[in-house]
Amino acid sequence: IAGITQAPTSQILAAGRRMTLRCTQDMRHNAMYWYRQDLGLGLRLIHYSNTAGTTGKGEVPDGYSVSRANTDDFPLTLASAVPSQTSVYFCASSVGPGDTQYFGPGTRLTVL
Amino acid sequence: AQSVTQLGSHVSVSEGALVLLRCNYSSSVPPYLFWYVQYPNQGLQLLLKYTTGATLVKGINGFEAEFKKSETSFHLTKPSAHMSDAAEYFCAVSDYWNFGNEKLTFGTGTRLTIIP
Repeated sequence: IAGITQAPTSQILAAGRRMTLRCTQDMRHNAMYWYRQDLGLGLRLIHYSNTAGTTGKGEVPDGYSVSRANTDDFPLTLASAVPSQTSVYFCASSVGPGDTQYFGPGTRLTVL
Repeated sequence: AQSVTQLGSHVSVSEGALVLLRCNYSSSVPPYLFWYVQYPNQGLQLLLKYTTGATLVKGINGFEAEFKKSETSFHLTKPSAHMSDAAEYFCAVSDYWNFGNEKLTFGTGTRLTIIP
């Protein structure tokens, strides 16, 4: 069982470009999440999905969008990347909202 | 809304010494509480969690934490530090019983350094 996979592992991106970070889980969890991790700020929730077909905004949603077409996949899209979106992005999933979250290995994104 | 405060962004202890990482929370309902560990260049892994019942919770790698409702605390301890414990530790709270607002809120993390 792989758990949660994220792709790419790392990426350098020019400002203004569109980028989609991929996240796939094989645990059949209902809920999925996207966080960004920045030094001194801990993890901040970007978007979440409590079940397939629904999404919600987290603490820092501006500049990001998500979709949840099925249970397993939860891609995060940056429509027009800006340098302040340079961060490490983590995808997570849980059986249900508020339950233990299981994290992917992360994507390190640099926007120049 | 719930919140988490981790006292001390950096903690250093000698190998073999007691590890104590502090976490205080606020929550409007009985909380679920979690400690996660993050090793360099990796994602977060669950160390332990408190949901209901016994207030002293044992986790992996010899760590344990005690839920103290009167102090709104969930401090993480380990009797004897090992070099492999060097990592960043995150406390998190979930308003699990607050339907529609159950999301986890994380603290800003404590980086644990072990001195040989």
